[in-house]
Parts: sequence; C-alpha cells; structure tokens
Amino acid sequence: DSGVTQTPKHLITATGQRVTLRCSPRSGDLSVYWYQQSLDQGLQFLIQYYNGEERAKGNILERFSAQQFPDLHSELNLSSLELGDSALYFCASSPYTSGTEAFFGQGTRLTVV
Amino acid sequence: ELKVEQNPLFLSMQEGKNYTIYCNYSTTSDRLYWYRQDPGKSLESLFVLLSNGAVKQEGRLMASLDTKARLSTLHITAAVHDLSATYFCAVVPGGATNKLIFGTGTLLAVQP
Repeated sequence: DSGVTQTPKHLITATGQRVTLRCSPRSGDLSVYWYQQSLDQGLQFLIQYYNGEERAKGNILERFSAQQFPDLHSELNLSSLELGDSALYFCASSPYTSGTEAFFGQGTRLTVV
Repeated sequence: ELKVEQNPLFLSMQEGKNYTIYCNYSTTSDRLYWYRQDPGKSLESLFVLLSNGAVKQEGRLMASLDTKARLSTLHITAAVHDLSATYFCAVVPGGATNKLIFGTGTLLAVQP
C-alpha cells in the first residue's frame, strides 16, 4: 500500500456526463500528480499541483480540470465525457515538487458508455 | 519535448531464458525509473537510476543507465512465470517538477 488513496475505484457513466475523481496523498506529501492510462495514448501525465498551486501541465484536455484543496487532497473533474475518455486514472504524490520519487495510488477505472 | 521509446513492445520468452528491454529517451533527464504493472493494477516502482553508469539489481532484474547514450536497459535473468507483467520506463525531464514521461511499456509473457 503506497499510502495514496483514490476514490472511487470504478466508475461507469454515460457520454456527456461529468465526474469527479478524488485523491488523498500520502501523509506529509505536498505534491499531487494525475496520469491517464488508455490503450490509445498509453500512460500520460496530465497535471501536477504543489501545495494548492498548479505546477506543471501535460496533455490535459480543456474538458478536464483539477484542483488541490487546503487539506492537500486533489480532485480531477472530467466533463462532457466521451467514449475515448474511458481509461485508468492514476494519482501520485511526493513530498516536494521535484527531486523525490512519487508514489502511485491504485487508480480509478472510468468507463464511459 | 522529451520522448521515451521502449522496445520491444511485446516479449514472449521461456522460463530460464535471459532477455533485455531497452529504453531510449530524447533529451537530458534528471532521473529514470522502471515500473512493473500487473493487469488492472497500479504501478510498482522497481528501480530509480540517478547517474551515468548506475546499475541496480533486485532478484532476477537488473537495470542500468547510460546518460551519454540516453539509454537504459532492464535485463531479465533466468525468467520465471511470476515476472510476467508490463514493464515501463519513465523519465523525469528535469526542472522544477517530478512529472514522469513514460515509455510505451513492454508486455512480458514468460511461458513455462
């Protein structure tokens, strides 16, 4: 167990809907990262937050947004969902913004039907 | 933009055999990781390689890093069925972020 908690584990929703994925980082970690794993795109970095502020952005669609709250948990919001958004979404956390290893949660499996 | 290429994409090998997975990256990097992923599961960190010439070994797996060639290898010795999984290399591009750029992954199937 990495200490990173993601909820829910599984999510099934219809096209056009909006969902929120939640991540609680390891105790003491200030940085949170979101990744998407799909058959088409492989594993790709979406976005990083550090202590509440956006620190790095990757291939994140405009329909997706994220935030990190004062208690350091993070949420990834996916809207106007399409079939192609079906994927495994991982959250990872690390103590600092750079120079240390990040540890991954168990992921949320999103299925859009 | 940093690109990470991994090969082969799929590797079917017999138990007891040796093989190597290759990971090439396109620009300088702070660190390189190797991960294992079982189907539908999370990413398990195997090795982190920090400097040129770094070599790390755990059981039947050995990873090395050549920063001049921008190449890392994951060598499997005397494979066993339990090693069947997908293996990813991932590179930290440097700067003020820990974000990882992943390779395509290598699906390893070890046959009895």
